Amino acid sequence: DSGVTQTPKHLITATGQRVTLRCSPRSGDLSVYWYQQSLDQGLQFLIQYYNGEERAKGNILERFSAQQFPDLHSELNLSSLELGDSALYFCASSAAGTGLSSAVIDTQYFGPGTRLTVL
Amino acid sequence: GDSVTQMEGPVTLSEEAFLTINCTYTATGYPSLFWYVQYPGEGLQLLLKATKADDKGSNKGFEATYRKETTSFHLEKGSVQVSDSAVYFCALIAAGNKLTFGGGTRVLVKP
Repeated sequence: DSGVTQTPKHLITATGQRVTLRCSPRSGDLSVYWYQQSLDQGLQFLIQYYNGEERAKGNILERFSAQQFPDLHSELNLSSLELGDSALYFCASSAAGTGLSSAVIDTQYFGPGTRLTVL
Repeated sequence: GDSVTQMEGPVTLSEEAFLTINCTYTATGYPSLFWYVQYPGEGLQLLLKATKADDKGSNKGFEATYRKETTSFHLEKGSVQVSDSAVYFCALIAAGNKLTFGGGTRVLVKP
């Protein structure tokens, strides 16, 4: 158990809908990351938040947005869903995430994922 | 940009066989290197890591050495078990704190 929790575990919805995925980081971790795992694109970094502020952005679509709340949990919002958005969405957390090369602060611990199916 | 290339699977082995999964990378600067494992139906678990050249990461009988001269981080295990059946991902962090993953290698160990 990594200490990172994600809800829900599974989500089935229709095209055009909007969903919210939730992530709670490990106790004490300030950074939250979102990744998408799909069959055609593999594992891709979407976005990082550090202590409530957006820190880095990857291949995140404009229809997707995220935020990190004062209690450090994070939500990923996916809107105008398309069939191609079906994937596993992982959240990870790390202690800091400042980008310094360190055996402690760069390690990311992953949650169990949310499987999204768009029909 | 940064990239990770790992051997395509599936890799099928018998129990107690030797496992090697090749991983090479392209990155600016001096990245940290990681191996993550994904067991069926589960999330990613950190298996081992190395943060500088010549470092050896090890865990649960798995080992990988950070080779800067060959930009490689090959994963090895001397004697695999059925319970090692999983998908293995090589990854790096270079600038920033974004993980860049390889495509994953599925390993199937047969009794």
